[in-house]
Amino acid sequence: AQSVTQLGSHVSVSEGALVLLRCNYSSSVPPYLFWYVQYPNQGLQLLLKYTTGATLVKGINGFEAEFKKSETSFHLTKPSAHMSDAAEYFCAVRGHAGGTSYGKLTFGQGTILTVHP
Amino acid sequence: DTAVSQTPKYLVTQMGNDKSIKCEQNLGHDTMYWYKQDSKKFLKIMFSYNNKELIINETVPNRFSPKSPDKAHLNLHINSLELGDSAVYFCASSQGQGPNEKLFFGSGTQLSVL
Repeated sequence: AQSVTQLGSHVSVSEGALVLLRCNYSSSVPPYLFWYVQYPNQGLQLLLKYTTGATLVKGINGFEAEFKKSETSFHLTKPSAHMSDAAEYFCAVRGHAGGTSYGKLTFGQGTILTVHP
Repeated sequence: DTAVSQTPKYLVTQMGNDKSIKCEQNLGHDTMYWYKQDSKKFLKIMFSYNNKELIINETVPNRFSPKSPDKAHLNLHINSLELGDSAVYFCASSQGQGPNEKLFFGSGTQLSVL
């Protein structure tokens, strides 16, 4: 079985400060990892994903995440927060061919990011 | 045009009623999903259909019945609604497999059962 834990349901930063949203996962097979963003009254949008290859993944809006297998982590970062980054962020894991979780996304409980002027 | 659209956006109803949520995608995708987001914001997959065939059916009460008349539509019918069914329901679609699969989500339907 796979699971995702996001540390901190709320994160607050000042505009221009570093954004760090934490995500740890457990999976019986090497998973695919995702970060999604949800703006108010909208569906989830894919920010970035890790499948194979380079462990540092760059996404949209200046976000990036690093897959660390030894730490089973996939933390999301952005060097400088912008007011428009205020949203809820979800980490997700998905099994791939060979695992019992193939095709199913398992989400964390979300982290609300607040950006102060 | 909205890629994945679901209606209604808000649904308020009494316990015991039967209601439906509709979902349509205009992306030409083969696979569609229903996810449930509970009050603690956990998103969990409920069903997945590929070309109108059920491929994922999580442990969901049989009061929930998905129906896919064609691969562009996946509707969710709920019988005998209960208080615990109150949640936000998201429809999604995807194309491709493995690392190239990407999900597109609708904006959600907030269901409130009174």
